Amino acid sequence: GQQVMQIPQYQHVQEGEDFTTYCNSSTTLSNIQWYKQRPGGHPVFLIQLVKSGEVKKQKRLTFQFGEAKKNSSLHITATQTTDVGTYFCAGSGNTPLVFGKGTRLSVIA
Amino acid sequence: NAGVTQTPKFQVLKTGQSMTLQCAQDMNHEYMSWYRQDPGMGLRLIHYSVGAGITDQGEVPNGYNVSRSTTEDFPLRLLSAAPSQTSVYFCASSRQGLGVEAFFGQGTRLTVV
Repeated sequence: GQQVMQIPQYQHVQEGEDFTTYCNSSTTLSNIQWYKQRPGGHPVFLIQLVKSGEVKKQKRLTFQFGEAKKNSSLHITATQTTDVGTYFCAGSGNTPLVFGKGTRLSVIA
Repeated sequence: NAGVTQTPKFQVLKTGQSMTLQCAQDMNHEYMSWYRQDPGMGLRLIHYSVGAGITDQGEVPNGYNVSRSTTEDFPLRLLSAAPSQTSVYFCASSRQGLGVEAFFGQGTRLTVV
């Protein structure tokens, strides 16, 4: 079945450093979504990418969808303590959302 | 607008006991899903439903049953709880159409002893 792999599993950064998490699918995706889960909380939708090569920005967050629609990345510029949490990508092909294992981001002030 | 409501928030069960985790949404969403979250394993799909009366299995369905008699409710039943089912369970809903934004409940933290 469809698998979505996400790396790294953990990332510790100093406040102000940049952060990137990568997502790769074993199959072509119709779209990819990104979610953020704060410690002790539930996943919250951030964004959806649909088009091949699409790039979207939300303030300090930049999301990219690969040309082949099998990979994606989330880049955070100048991390802040409020960015702490686990970031999940989720792909949809012909099945319900399949989540990656997530990247847990720690930000050291 | 409550969104997706899960009850209970916490539960401790003894091995072999059965229970039902409740999930209700008030957004008239057709799609509902149950995920379990374990450390290092991400969110794994247990069962999902594309509408009332229709359910299907996800990645890890064994030991769980679901039904969808109404659009609003999607309960998850543990038939005979096992320690391996200790996890955090999330219910999610979304509008019709695969790949649409999912709204998650607050989660149920279940411990089986």
